[in-house]
Amino acid sequence: DTAVSQTPKYLVTQMGNDKSIKCEQNLGHDTMYWYKQDSKKFLKIMFSYNNKELIINETVPNRFSPKSPDKAHLNLHINSLELGDSAVYFCASSQGDRSWEQYFGPGTRLTVT
Amino acid sequence: GQNIDQPTEMTATEGAIVQINCTYQTSGFNGLFWYQQHAGEAPTFLSYNVLDGLEEKGRFSSFLSRSKGYSYLLLKELQMKDSASYLCAVKNAGNNRKLIWGLGTSLAVNP
Repeated sequence: DTAVSQTPKYLVTQMGNDKSIKCEQNLGHDTMYWYKQDSKKFLKIMFSYNNKELIINETVPNRFSPKSPDKAHLNLHINSLELGDSAVYFCASSQGDRSWEQYFGPGTRLTVT
Repeated sequence: GQNIDQPTEMTATEGAIVQINCTYQTSGFNGLFWYQQHAGEAPTFLSYNVLDGLEEKGRFSSFLSRSKGYSYLLLKELQMKDSASYLCAVKNAGNNRKLIWGLGTSLAVNP
C-alpha cells in the first residue's frame, strides 16, 4: 500500500525517558513533516525536511531532535520526556510545491506518566 | 501576527447543508486549504483555493475572498460520516512549505 506509516502507534512511557518515533513514506515525496496535536486539537508544525535538508524548525525544545536518513524517512527522537509532551504526533509528506496537499500518517499517541 | 479563526463547534442535520467559515490574518498569502479529520484519525486533504471564487468538488465546495481574508467550506447533502473536525490552513508566501493551521471546527451531523 502506498502511504505514510508511523511506528509505534501508541507509546506510554515515564517522565525522563528517551524515545523515538519513526516515519516512512513510499509516495516518492521530497518533503516530510512532524506535527504535534495536543488535547485541544491544535495542529502545530515542529519540523520539516526537504530532500534530507531541514527547512522548518519551529520553536521546539531542543530535547526534540529530528533525523532524516533519506527522503523517504523522518524520525523524531525525544530526550528527557516531560508530562507536557503527551500528545499525538503526526508525520506527513508532500511533493514539490504542492505543500498544501500533505499526506498524513496515522499518528503516534504518546502518553508520558 | 498570524491568526486563523473558525467556529469551535457546529451541529447540523443529515441531508442538510452546512457552511463552515474561516477568517485569516497572515503575513503574505499563497493559498488556503481545508482538511477533514475524523476522531482518532489523521487529517486528510479536502480542497485548495488560491484565487477568489468557488471551487466545487462533489458534495463539498470551498470559497475564497482574499480581499476579505475569508473562506468557507460548504457541505451539501450531509451524511452521518461527515461528522468530523474541519481544519482551515493557510500557506504564507515563500518557499518554506509551512502551513498555518486553525484550531478546527468540530461538526456533528445528527439524524
